[in-house]
Amino acid sequence: GQQLNQSPQSMFIQEGEDVSMNCTSSSIFNTWLWYKQDPGEGPVLLIALYKAGELTSNGRLTAQFGITRKDSFLNISASIPSDVGIYFCAGPNTGNQFYFGTGTSLTVIP
Amino acid sequence: GAVVSQHPSWVICKSGTSVKIECRSLDFQATTMFWYRQFPKQSLMLMATSNEGSKATYEQGVEKDKFLINHASLTLSTLTVTSAHPEDSSFYICSASRVSSYNSPLHFGNGTRLTVT
Repeated sequence: GQQLNQSPQSMFIQEGEDVSMNCTSSSIFNTWLWYKQDPGEGPVLLIALYKAGELTSNGRLTAQFGITRKDSFLNISASIPSDVGIYFCAGPNTGNQFYFGTGTSLTVIP
Repeated sequence: GAVVSQHPSWVICKSGTSVKIECRSLDFQATTMFWYRQFPKQSLMLMATSNEGSKATYEQGVEKDKFLINHASLTLSTLTVTSAHPEDSSFYICSASRVSSYNSPLHFGNGTRLTVT
């Protein structure tokens, strides 16, 4: 499958701080998806990106589709305790099968 | 609300037995569903693509005779782990797209925690 690398692997931040994470691919994608997974549950879709350079927001979350089409970024502003979880990027191959990144674990300290 | 439902949410079985996991699309028809497996502290790994009315396609390294997939209707796919062993213990998650178009985002079920003793 595809190789999607996320960084950082984990983050420990104070409540109220902004968060930035990214995802890089070894190949070009036409779509980037960002998901959040809470323990013991399935991933929940946060943001979908469809065009290089696209910048899309969902509340305090903002994601960007990199110009090279090989990377994407997710920012969370003014973090709150419920932002805790693991964030995954995902991209599809030509068969619409989505492959997931290595994940970024976020801990928010109140 | 949830668009993909998975059942059971957890199951414990003895080594050598088979376990069936169901995945349903709740208010849409899904000609394609995807099965993922996730080990603790790891990412989701695509196991197979379930195709309604035809054979599933498996990712490299996934044994099709061990992980039987049946997509008998447009709203139901099942994954059967046959002759389960402790190393099959994992979190299994299914997904589907609401819209059957390229790049349509996946929506996930809540997963099934399988423990093989």
